[in-house]
Amino acid sequence: DIQMTQSPSSLSASLGERVSLTCRASQEISGYLSWLQQKPDGTIKRLIYAASTLDSGVPKRFSGSRSGSDYSLTISSLESEDFADYYCLQYASYPTFGGGTKLEIK
Amino acid sequence: EVLLQQSGPELVKPGASVKIPCKASGYTFTDYNMDWVKQSHGKSLEWIGDISPNIGATIYNQKFKGKATLTVDKSSSTAYMELRSLTSEDTAVYYCARRGYDGYLFAYWGQGTLVTVSA
Repeated sequence: DIQMTQSPSSLSASLGERVSLTCRASQEISGYLSWLQQKPDGTIKRLIYAASTLDSGVPKRFSGSRSGSDYSLTISSLESEDFADYYCLQYASYPTFGGGTKLEIK
Repeated sequence: EVLLQQSGPELVKPGASVKIPCKASGYTFTDYNMDWVKQSHGKSLEWIGDISPNIGATIYNQKFKGKATLTVDKSSSTAYMELRSLTSEDTAVYYCARRGYDGYLFAYWGQGTLVTVSA
């Protein structure tokens, strides 16, 4: 199994702040990574696929990047609707998810 | 518009089975595999498996072999996941999800079905 270690597990931030979340893969995943957002009502939305490609309709304040085996999701300026849970997901082999980051308002 | 419509919460007794539907609309059902994902309360997500609606071929996460069975009804564009021999460990929200037109996984999600296993 490919393990995805996601950090931080929780994060408090203010409106307008820039934040970054990270996932590290236990094996090479060659950019086969997505970022998901889950709202408190359970609704899940894909934000980014192929490590850095923004899904249609996703605000440009979201971006994805890769540095070696580390993958990051950055939100450039937090808005109220961004406070949610975020998960990374690799699909280089059968899909596995990171442990999640709970993004809370400070 | 792609929609994956799941059913309401289920309360089932230990040892019983439950069959969860995921009704697809807005696209040709047989063109895309359907994946299923488990989320236990307060925890992360686990991939259960996927099914090709066109030919019924399935792939399972080893952890869920013997627990979950994926099927489809092409006539109603509905995918099903049956969970058997339920225990408290199976209490969770279960999601169906489909890959995008970009070919990458999990672009579209159902709203989830809460299964609670309790006597």
